[in-house]
Amino acid sequence: GAGVSQSPRYKVTKRGQDVALRCDPISGHVSLYWYRQALGQGPEFLTYFNYEAQQDKSGLPNDRFSAERPEGSISTLTIQRTEQRDSAMYRCASSLPRPGSTDTQYFGPGTRLTVL
Amino acid sequence: SQQGEEDPQALSIQEGENATMNCSYKTSINNLQWYRQNSGRGLVHLILIRSNEREKHSGRLRVTLDTSKKSSSLLITASRAADTASYFCATPNSGGSNYKLTFGKGTLLTVNP
Repeated sequence: GAGVSQSPRYKVTKRGQDVALRCDPISGHVSLYWYRQALGQGPEFLTYFNYEAQQDKSGLPNDRFSAERPEGSISTLTIQRTEQRDSAMYRCASSLPRPGSTDTQYFGPGTRLTVL
Repeated sequence: SQQGEEDPQALSIQEGENATMNCSYKTSINNLQWYRQNSGRGLVHLILIRSNEREKHSGRLRVTLDTSKKSSSLLITASRAADTASYFCATPNSGGSNYKLTFGKGTLLTVNP
């Protein structure tokens, strides 16, 4: 079946603009995660949803970053007033949690954000 | 902060050779996972090994886990050019936030044809 999809794949924006990054998880997956990956580094956790509830946003760097998943499926990560340091690959993942186990997170292709 | 650290940072081998990558971590874990990242593609989950397992196989992949040394290794046998990628180890946080994966910086593997 279809995997996790993200759009756009590439986004170039000017400093100060707002951007919205979209994630469409695997159908039926109730858990959704956002990570950010700088060049030469591993992904770093941003936030986590269980259905539509944002359970953990401890990784969001500041209040310019927000995420929502209003219907428990598609999620949007929004960055307001972008800064050059926001440039990175933003990755979304989803999983189908089972009681008592750590489930495999399936990652999308990512959105490469460049802030000029 | 990074939980896992892969070693070496980069590895270049010839097709057909075996490739070994290592991962060290700092805190107690209940499992450790390996991911592969190809150029232009997403992260692909390769294998998960639980803390009560010492070795696990999947095709040409062999993963070991030594919880006393807080280390894991990923062995790729009979490598192919298509194995060229970055390989990351990842560990979930302990306690109630085990969904939060912490990744290392990765090992860049180049398999030369």
